[in-house]
Amino acid sequence: QKEVEQNSGPLSVPEGAIASLNCTYSDRGSQSFFWYRQYSGKSPELIMSIYSNGDKEDGRFTAQLNKASQYVSLLIRDSQPSDSATYLCAVGDTGRRALTFGSGTRLQVQP
Amino acid sequence: DTEVTQTPKHLVMGMTNKKSLKCEQHMGHRAMYWYKQKAKKPPELMFVYSYEKLSINESVPSRFSPECPNSSLLNLHLHALQPEDSALYLCASSQITGTVISPYEQYFGPGTRLTVT
Repeated sequence: QKEVEQNSGPLSVPEGAIASLNCTYSDRGSQSFFWYRQYSGKSPELIMSIYSNGDKEDGRFTAQLNKASQYVSLLIRDSQPSDSATYLCAVGDTGRRALTFGSGTRLQVQP
Repeated sequence: DTEVTQTPKHLVMGMTNKKSLKCEQHMGHRAMYWYKQKAKKPPELMFVYSYEKLSINESVPSRFSPECPNSSLLNLHLHALQPEDSALYLCASSQITGTVISPYEQYFGPGTRLTVT
């Protein structure tokens, strides 16, 4: 059973701080990793994808991947109240065109 | 343009009704997906179509019947549903390349909120 684990939260950070969201996965052969943001009542929105070890930056978002530790994280710099949402980590299922989702971490950014 | 559209936005149906959910994308993607999402849970994969052919059926009950009429359209036909089938139904699409074995980015539509009474 391939698993993706996330802390359900809520993770509460003050406005302007760095929010750090973490995810571990069980399938050592996984090659693609994604972060989705989902506001309450809305559909998931892709915000980052990462395929290689290291960091990938896009605006205020940085995704970090460590395949040896089977760990992927998302950093949100200068957090804003509009970043308050559930963040879903998704891992590509090797050999299938399917994603395995973690249960999501709820982020609350306090004004 | 990374837009996937879904209709209807909301659907209320009785247990004896037959209805269909529709999904459309114009990104040239050749993989399309149906997911079901219950409140405070992650999306749960139901079906995957690759090149208009069903490639994954996650042991979904036969009261859900998918159809992919062409590369842009995906339907989900519903019949004799149960109240526990009430959920947000999400369609997604992604590109396919022959040399990549892992999924590319999937883009979700806004979903259909289904209530079975």
